Amino acid sequence: EAQVTQNPRYLITVTGKKLTVTCSQNMNHEYMSWYRQDPGLGLRQIYYSMNVEVTDKGDVPEGYKVSRKEKRNFPLILESPSPNQTSLYFCASSPRGRANYGYTFGSGTRLTVV
Amino acid sequence: GENVEQHPSTLSVQEGDSAVIKCTYSDSASNYFPWYKQELGKGPQLIIDIRSNVGEKKDQRIAVTLNKTAKHFSLHITETQPEDSAVYFCAASIDGGSQGNLIFGKGTKLSVKP
Repeated sequence: EAQVTQNPRYLITVTGKKLTVTCSQNMNHEYMSWYRQDPGLGLRQIYYSMNVEVTDKGDVPEGYKVSRKEKRNFPLILESPSPNQTSLYFCASSPRGRANYGYTFGSGTRLTVV
Repeated sequence: GENVEQHPSTLSVQEGDSAVIKCTYSDSASNYFPWYKQELGKGPQLIIDIRSNVGEKKDQRIAVTLNKTAKHFSLHITETQPEDSAVYFCAASIDGGSQGNLIFGKGTKLSVKP
């Protein structure tokens, strides 16, 4: 089944403890992206990658890092999480190195930073 | 950069009625307009999209219209059913390069009452 898989689905952590949210897709998509979803703010882009070793900032990149060493994986790294990063996170992928051929989203990761 | 406004933020209709959600965009270069449906506890799912070379597209009970001159596009759902209850997001992007990122509206929570 074609899908984007995120892990974990739920995570509670403490301020300052480094964490990684994994994202993997099995569709051979070039484009991958991370979004955070907050009430009243919709979906805001954190980082995106147009292909292996090519990453760039989205609208809200502060406090996050990403890497794209392989085509299928695009982990989101929070080096020193803070409570304002409590949110619902989504990974998405798209073919042809661009977003405008239809995103496939993962099921989400609900992160709570205390 | 692109900005997408979406209205209304909440919409309640009776089963069998029609629902209309409207979005406006700011960048006249945008040429791809998808709509996503997010059910509770799931990631957004693409339900229909339209490109700027057409004015309307239909898929069974859903349709999208685009007015390039006014820079707005709308989602129309006819004969609504309880399973249409979800949050709907519109988005816009410009084809090509780093401008291909999707910019999302803030979402509309649709409730269909039996």
